[in-house]
Amino acid sequence: AQSVTQPDIHITVSEGASLELRCNYSYGATPYLFWYVQSPGQGLQLLLKYFSGDTLVQGIKGFEAEFKRSQSSFNLRKPSVHWSDAAEYFCAVLFSGGYNKLIFGAGTRLAVHP
Amino acid sequence: DTAVSQTPKYLVTQMGNDKSIKCEQNLGHDTMYWYKQDSKKFLKIMFSYNNKELIINETVPNRFSPKSPDKAHLNLHINSLELGDSAVYFCASSQDFPGSYNSPLHFGNGTRLTVT
Repeated sequence: AQSVTQPDIHITVSEGASLELRCNYSYGATPYLFWYVQSPGQGLQLLLKYFSGDTLVQGIKGFEAEFKRSQSSFNLRKPSVHWSDAAEYFCAVLFSGGYNKLIFGAGTRLAVHP
Repeated sequence: DTAVSQTPKYLVTQMGNDKSIKCEQNLGHDTMYWYKQDSKKFLKIMFSYNNKELIINETVPNRFSPKSPDKAHLNLHINSLELGDSAVYFCASSQDFPGSYNSPLHFGNGTRLTVT
């Protein structure tokens, strides 16, 4: 079955620390992969995306993500977190077949301590 | 300029009432969507319209009826509201159907519906 899993519901880091948010998917082929961020009271904003090519992709706000086919993972990283990064982060996977569907993970809430 | 705008931002109503949420996008996109985000932040697609044609209907109760008068608008009407309908409803749009790799989704800021 097609699925997207974000194992961490909540993560807390200190400002300036590095960050990694996990995302795993279940799919027979290489899917299109996305990370979105949702700030409080806001809609979702696209951070970055991947389909092919270099497995390390750069996004906005200093984020990057690495696709690992062997692990069916697409983890989001940032070397140094800022307080403004506190938000909800969603991994999303576009599954093809029939009508393509963008499926979201359950989200990871990031808190940043000063 | 707001790309995808939803009204109202907050909606509080009683069980059994009928309510509508409006959505407009000024991006010139061909495809629009309604997503529901529950209290655990889980986002699930409800409907997708492409050029005013319903493409995706994800086992949503028929109390929910989307209407797309033109490509720039996708409204959501909900009849006989129930407690379980309380959630945040997001409208989104994309250039191509169905939110493909080169055409990511642009989201509105959401409508928080509370049914009492």
